Amino acid sequence: GAVVSQHPSRVICKSGTSVKIECRSLDFQATTMFWYRQFPKQSLMLMATSNEGSKATYEQGVEKDKFLINHASLTLSTLTVTSAHPEDSSFYICSASLAGAQETQYFGPGTRLLVL
Amino acid sequence: ELKVEQNPLFLSMQEGKNYTIYCNYSTTSDRLYWYRQDPGKSLESLFVLLSNGAVKQEGRLMASLDTKARLSTLHITAAVHDLSATYFCASLGRAGGTSYGKLTFGQGTILTVHP
Repeated sequence: GAVVSQHPSRVICKSGTSVKIECRSLDFQATTMFWYRQFPKQSLMLMATSNEGSKATYEQGVEKDKFLINHASLTLSTLTVTSAHPEDSSFYICSASLAGAQETQYFGPGTRLLVL
Repeated sequence: ELKVEQNPLFLSMQEGKNYTIYCNYSTTSDRLYWYRQDPGKSLESLFVLLSNGAVKQEGRLMASLDTKARLSTLHITAAVHDLSATYFCASLGRAGGTSYGKLTFGQGTILTVHP
């Protein structure tokens, strides 16, 4: 149980285009989802926390207008990287928590984004 | 702001040897987690430590928590090549009341086990 999927697993796009990454909880309802970014050989950095039906809470230094997060249902959150640039190339990992159990996060397999 | 520091950041071990990875965190934390990450992959949960003195073991890995010293350790016994990976500790802070804060990760320890 508690499986989280991400789609796509890899994406290559041209600079200036937008890319949408989906995060789904497959067998549970996730009231809270988290988006992390990981640059090569670095740690995971939390970008934002999204709660179903409300606006995401972004970490300091993360541009809200560039990284659009939508959590429209209890099983799906999306991260859209708008007007992507090469410096946005990274490994994006989502995680999800069960209602009332935010202390446990189930991590997705990650999405590798390469912006040319 | 909660800070989490691991050391060493790089660890090259011979098979069969023992070693310990240290994880210090800066403020009171509710829970301490250890994860493994293989190259190109996401995180695999290893341990969650909830209270002072907690010790958990799985195979050749043993994790412990000292909340007074704000220190967790991941001990590797008789290392084998399959343990080569990056290991992260992460601390979960409190946001206030019964709410949890965010998960803060250490820098990661890149472990290489060679013959």
